[in-house]
Amino acid sequence: GENVEQHPSTLSVQEGDSAVIKCTYSDSASNYFPWYKQELGKRPQLIIDIRSNVGEKKDQRIAVTLNKTAKHFSLHITETQPEDSAVYFCAAKTPNTGNQFYFGTGTSLTVIP
Amino acid sequence: ETGVTQSPTHLIKTRGQQVTLRCSSQSGHNTVSWYQQALGQGPQFIFQYYREEENGRGNFPPRFSGLQFPNYSSELNVNALELDDSALYLCASSRLTDTQYFGPGTRLTVL
Repeated sequence: GENVEQHPSTLSVQEGDSAVIKCTYSDSASNYFPWYKQELGKRPQLIIDIRSNVGEKKDQRIAVTLNKTAKHFSLHITETQPEDSAVYFCAAKTPNTGNQFYFGTGTSLTVIP
Repeated sequence: ETGVTQSPTHLIKTRGQQVTLRCSSQSGHNTVSWYQQALGQGPQFIFQYYREEENGRGNFPPRFSGLQFPNYSSELNVNALELDDSALYLCASSRLTDTQYFGPGTRLTVL
């Protein structure tokens, strides 16, 4: 099955700086890559996603890039704010196994005011 | 917030007992996926239901079973509870190949 690795596990940045989280996947058939933000005690919330026919997608301060050849995708957050502090999960969906999602192990982002 | 709801919010059981968790999917969604999230880990796929049929299963033993009803709500049943089953159980609803939206989760503690 698919294997998703996520780095770093923890990340601290100063307010206003950029944050980058990277994920790699193993199954070249994976075709959909969402990113979720999970605040303590709350549900994972979708913040951005990208499909395999697109190389980059941006939504205000958040962007995701996908390199299908290298099988990696990254989340970029610019002008970070304290409310960006949370755990971020990447995921990959493969159509080979019932459209199940495989999640990374998460990155705990802390934005220091 | 999504329209996905789960009940109960918290649950405490003892080893060997059985538990049923419930999920109501968002309007217009016909697929429910269940995940187990241990503390400090990413969600692990348990199984998915599409139009009342199981549509994929992760690496979980048969004592984890499920149902989906005609209104697309779903249940997760766990028999013979073990201590390691303590986790946050999340359901996510979607149309089959679309984005998944998570419910708030059920925190299960097994003593």
